[in-house]
Amino acid sequence: EDQVTQSPEALRLQEGESSSLNCSYTVSGLRGLFWYRQDPGKGPEFLFTLYSAGEEKEKERLKATLTKKESFLHITAPKPEDSATYLCAVQVRGDDKIIFGKGTRLHILP
Amino acid sequence: EPEVTQTPSHQVTQMGQEVILRCVPISNHLYFYWYRQILGQKVEFLVSFYNNEISEKSEIFDDQFSVERPDGSNFTLKIRSTKLEDSAMYFCASSGLRGTEAFFGQGTRLTVV
Repeated sequence: EDQVTQSPEALRLQEGESSSLNCSYTVSGLRGLFWYRQDPGKGPEFLFTLYSAGEEKEKERLKATLTKKESFLHITAPKPEDSATYLCAVQVRGDDKIIFGKGTRLHILP
Repeated sequence: EPEVTQTPSHQVTQMGQEVILRCVPISNHLYFYWYRQILGQKVEFLVSFYNNEISEKSEIFDDQFSVERPDGSNFTLKIRSTKLEDSAMYFCASSGLRGTEAFFGQGTRLTVV
């Protein structure tokens, strides 16, 4: 069965304290891996797409990386406005659906 | 910037009633989706729609659910006879090509009482 597991479930950091969120996946054949940000009561907001092992994408304080088994979302010198739930999702070859993980709730303390 | 819009933002309905959730996907996109998120749980796939037909559906998407693209811009999800357990946030999404990122709307919070 195709699965996406995110860790940790929740993370509290001080402003400026860098860290990484993990997404491990078990799929029959990966078409793409996606990172989204979700604020409370809102829809997922697209951040990155990664297609192959070794690929990296960056946007402001966020960098996403991909290996054959997992992806990391690195957050450098975070600010309170980076507080949100970060969702990892995968699309399997041959499917249209995206499978989401449960997310990591990130809280940045000022 | 193009975005997916959903209406209404919140709907309260009596158990057993029919509801229609509406979405306007991004205009040049070809793939359309409905997802739902029960409070505190993960985002779950319901159905995908391409070339005017359902391309994939989950076990959740049973006979009480249906989707329609009645014109060139709208995409709807109908729940025929709502149950208490249908209470959730329903998200519409669209993508331009298969395998590319999907863009989500802000959701419709459905409360069944």
